[in-house]
Amino acid sequence: EVQLVESGGGLVQPGRSMKLSCAASGFTFSNYGMAWVRQAPKKGLEWVAYISYDGGSTYYRDPVKGRFTISRDNAKSTLYLQMDSLRSEDTATYYCTTEATRGWYFDFWGPGTMVTVSS
Amino acid sequence: DIQMTQSPPSLSASLGETVSIECRASEDIYSNLAWYQQKSGKSPQLLIYYASSLQDGVPSRFSGSGSGTQYSLKISGMQPEDEGVYYCLQGSKYPYTFGAGTKLELK
Repeated sequence: EVQLVESGGGLVQPGRSMKLSCAASGFTFSNYGMAWVRQAPKKGLEWVAYISYDGGSTYYRDPVKGRFTISRDNAKSTLYLQMDSLRSEDTATYYCTTEATRGWYFDFWGPGTMVTVSS
Repeated sequence: DIQMTQSPPSLSASLGETVSIECRASEDIYSNLAWYQQKSGKSPQLLIYYASSLQDGVPSRFSGSGSGTQYSLKISGMQPEDEGVYYCLQGSKYPYTFGAGTKLELK
């Protein structure tokens, strides 16, 4: 059974950093691209970043480019999101999600971890 | 960025009623569209991929159609467990973009 478990969220001050992790199990992690999707309180879903199966390609939405870094450790089956220079608008639940076997879309999602950026 | 315009923002349907949700892309996305259902307090669940392919385990009352810039999700016979928020997602170009969501409630 595929399992994705995010961790590392919490309260952080504006301008500070935070690193999220996503522990994966139940599938061959190193074969799949992964992504982070976030959802601000009472708002819609927003794609944040993507990393290819081998870490060779990464993509980001413009507002987080240069501040967020997506990475992975295939030996540990873990996905990361390093978030620097955090802003209040980064406050959201962050979901880890897997790229599907059959294509670009996301088929498995973790329960999410909440990040609150506030002084 | 590709903009996804989703309509309606909210919808109320009776038990057994057929409902449709639309997504319009700002440019051709070549059927690179997925539909998700999100129930309150839960993670999104994949319903449809490549515009019309039904994800394993999803009830057959859900169907997707469309091409080019226009796509739709149809629920043929509303059930109580179908309440939630529905989102479309385009995967034709980065950054991938979601529609704003449609809140579906049982009347």
